Amino acid sequence: NAGVTQTPKFRVLKTGQSMTLLCAQDMNHEYMYWYRQDPGMGLRLIHYSVGEGTTAKGEVPDGYNVSRLKKQNFLLGLESAAPSQTSVYFCASKPGLSDEQYFGPGTRLTVT
Amino acid sequence: RKEVEQDPGPFNVPEGATVAFNCTYSNSASQSFFWYRQDCRKEPKLLMSVYSSGNEDGRFTAQLNRASQYISLLIRDSKLSDSATYLCVVNMENYGQNFVFGPGTRLSVLP
Repeated sequence: NAGVTQTPKFRVLKTGQSMTLLCAQDMNHEYMYWYRQDPGMGLRLIHYSVGEGTTAKGEVPDGYNVSRLKKQNFLLGLESAAPSQTSVYFCASKPGLSDEQYFGPGTRLTVT
Repeated sequence: RKEVEQDPGPFNVPEGATVAFNCTYSNSASQSFFWYRQDCRKEPKLLMSVYSSGNEDGRFTAQLNRASQYISLLIRDSKLSDSATYLCVVNMENYGQNFVFGPGTRLSVLP
């Protein structure tokens, strides 16, 4: 049981480049989330999904898109990266009847 | 006002000390509350949920005061391994997905 995995672990992008972060979970969880964590600000919710094929905006969705074509995967896309998107990105999942979120190890993204 | 605020820290305490962290939240309709632990450069992990009646798990005790919109975490007999950042998390919506994280309070337990 791998839990929640994230790919890649590290990435450096130039301003304007695009990329996709992949989150995968093998726990059959309904809910999945993308957060970003910046120093002194705590984790902020970018987008989330309550099930396959559905997504919704969180607190800071601008500049990001997501897709959940399969229940086990939740993709986060940056179409045109900006330095303000330099952050640590965490994916999380949880089962339907619990509030405990299980987090992936994070992706450290730097945009220059 | 931020939705979830925590003691700014850091807290530096000797082994064996008792330490308490506080957290306040802005939305009086908030329904569920949690403490997560995050080690340096690692992902957050659930430490404990916080129930209305208060709850205890070994050396850790969590309390909720809905009237004051306040949550606390007490750690007794601190261990070196308790050194981490403690995140207060509030679900602002009943059955919703609006989990709001506080900025965290860093604890260093010193030998």
